[in-house]
Amino acid sequence: LAKTTQPISMDSYEGQEVNITCSHNNIATNDYITWYQQFPSQGPRFIIQGYKTKVTNEVASLFIPADRKSSTLSLPRVSLSDTAVYYCLVVNTGGFKTIFGAGTRLFVKA
Amino acid sequence: GAVVSQHPSRVICKSGTSVKIECRSLDFQATTMFWYRQFPKQSLMLMATSNEGSKATYEQGVEKDKFLINHASLTLSTLTVTSAHPEDSSFYICSASENRGSYEKLFFGSGTQLSVL
Repeated sequence: LAKTTQPISMDSYEGQEVNITCSHNNIATNDYITWYQQFPSQGPRFIIQGYKTKVTNEVASLFIPADRKSSTLSLPRVSLSDTAVYYCLVVNTGGFKTIFGAGTRLFVKA
Repeated sequence: GAVVSQHPSRVICKSGTSVKIECRSLDFQATTMFWYRQFPKQSLMLMATSNEGSKATYEQGVEKDKFLINHASLTLSTLTVTSAHPEDSSFYICSASENRGSYEKLFFGSGTQLSVL
């Protein structure tokens, strides 16, 4: 299983763009990169997933360089409700279990 | 997206009693579900992988006789905390994948806060 490393916490202000980078140096060919968001006392929620280059959905963008050893979750114009813990996971499509790292606690201030 | 329902959301029990937590995939079949526990301010810790029709696979350090997992159908997995003690108080979360044998995208239940008095 590829280990992931993220910043423990980040602060931002409403309306700013937030970029959270995750390192996964041991990522394997069959691994996908997936980001989840978790609010207190709730289960994680899928945000975005990618394999390479750039992926964008209605919530976020995911940037993955060619070597895939890192990825960056980009949240455009954050609001107070984006305050949460964000987890970066590297998961093998072959059916391996999902292990969560420490995650990044994002605090959005008014 | 797929929905995973988890019940109860909160349970308080006396020490020594058993508590059952249900995890249901509402609009898809899940051959595999995962059970996690989470302590305050900490990340999710994988406890076990629940496989429909077979025994669960437990992570190292997780007592299988303490945390009984049953996955009797393609839409239901249960976690029973037997003879619960205060140190078992935690937030328990289940998850499932829509895709058979592929876990790159998981859907999570809303979690169960267990408090053992």
